Order: sequence, then C-alpha cells, then structure tokens
Amino acid sequence: GAVVSQHPSRVICKSGTSVKIECRSLDFQATTMFWYRQFPKQSLMLMATSNEGSKATYEQGVEKDKFLINHASLTLSTLTVTSAHPEDSSFYICSAQMGGTIAEAFFGQGTRLTVV
Amino acid sequence: DQQVKQNSPSLSVQEGRISILNCDYTNSMFDYFLWYKKYPAEGPTFLISISSIKDKNEDGRFTVFLNKSAKHLSLHIVPSQPGDSAVYFCAASAGTGANNLFFGTGTRLTVIP
Repeated sequence: GAVVSQHPSRVICKSGTSVKIECRSLDFQATTMFWYRQFPKQSLMLMATSNEGSKATYEQGVEKDKFLINHASLTLSTLTVTSAHPEDSSFYICSAQMGGTIAEAFFGQGTRLTVV
Repeated sequence: DQQVKQNSPSLSVQEGRISILNCDYTNSMFDYFLWYKKYPAEGPTFLISISSIKDKNEDGRFTVFLNKSAKHLSLHIVPSQPGDSAVYFCAASAGTGANNLFFGTGTRLTVIP
C-alpha cells in the first residue's frame, strides 16, 4: 500500500510554545490531506481538510488560528499547534488521499503531543 | 456525540476460531462503512468496506455484515490468526467521497496462539 510518513512520532513541549507536525506522502501525490485528533478513550475526530495550494477547511469547534495547516506541495502538509496548552495534549494523525474514495486515504503513524 | 460506537474495548479469541467485532451507528445518513486495522506505532490501514446497498462483503478471511435496520455492522475474521492481533476501528461516512469519516473508539483484538 501507499506510504504516509508523519514526523515526529512523539513530542513534548512547554506551554506557550509552538509545535510543527509534518505529514508526507512518500510514494504518491496527495491533493487532499486530513488531520485528526484523538483524546484518550475517544475516537479519531477530523480537525481539518487540507487541499494543496488552498486554505484548509476546518471542522466546527477547531480554531484555525491555533491549528495552522499548510499544504504547500502535493506530498507535504504541516500542522502547527501554536501557543500550545496542556489541553492540546493529544494524539494527532494525518491521512493523505491518493484517489477519489475514502478507502484510498492512507494514514500516517500519528504524533503524540504532550504539553507541559 | 458519538455517532459510531464500538462498545467492546477488547476481545480475546483462540487461534483458529472466529473473531466478531461489532459496531453501531446512529446517523441514518451514513451509507458507507469501513474497517481499519491498527498495529502499535503505525497508522490505521484500510481493511474492508461495505456500501449500504449491500448487506455483506467478503474478502478472504474477512467479512463485513451490515444490518441497516438495526444500524449495526460487524466484522468477522475466520479463522483468526495471531497476526490479526491489533486494534480495529469501525468508521462511517455519508458517501464514498465524503471528507468526513466518523470513527468508533476501537476494539483491541488479541488472538491467542
């Protein structure tokens, strides 16, 4: 299957700092990438849809100024958590869509963010 | 509001027996359902899907059953193998091209050799 690489896998940062998470499709071009968040004992929740060359579409309740998404190329999308707070500690995971259907979206390994 | 529910957080099955993972949903607009498998330190990988026009889809050892009236689907793995040990997520969407997948919380399957 297609490969999506997410980096870093774990990060600890101080409250008030910013953290950037990268999502790369290694062997295909992805016009659309998705960012999810998962809190403990909860399900993956879509945060935003990222389209190459255009602004991301954020889900209701997700602050676009806090979670900056950049999709500057067909193989790379980044999520920057700005001014992180302990409540932002979560598991963040991206997926990149290779084809037109959901089944053709491939997930990265995820990033465990801990804000102290 | 959890629109997709997996009420069993874990399941243990003997090797060679059948594993049955269950999933319930509340939104009647969902018409496409997927199962993902996730190993530790890896992202979820697509396993099998089913459209609401069907009530069964089979792929090798994996079969997904859909009961629309009960808003319930299940994944059957037979025979179960130790390599099937993983977390299984159920997901649903309205349409195959929808940008929004709703996930369950996952069921950890352990297949005992």
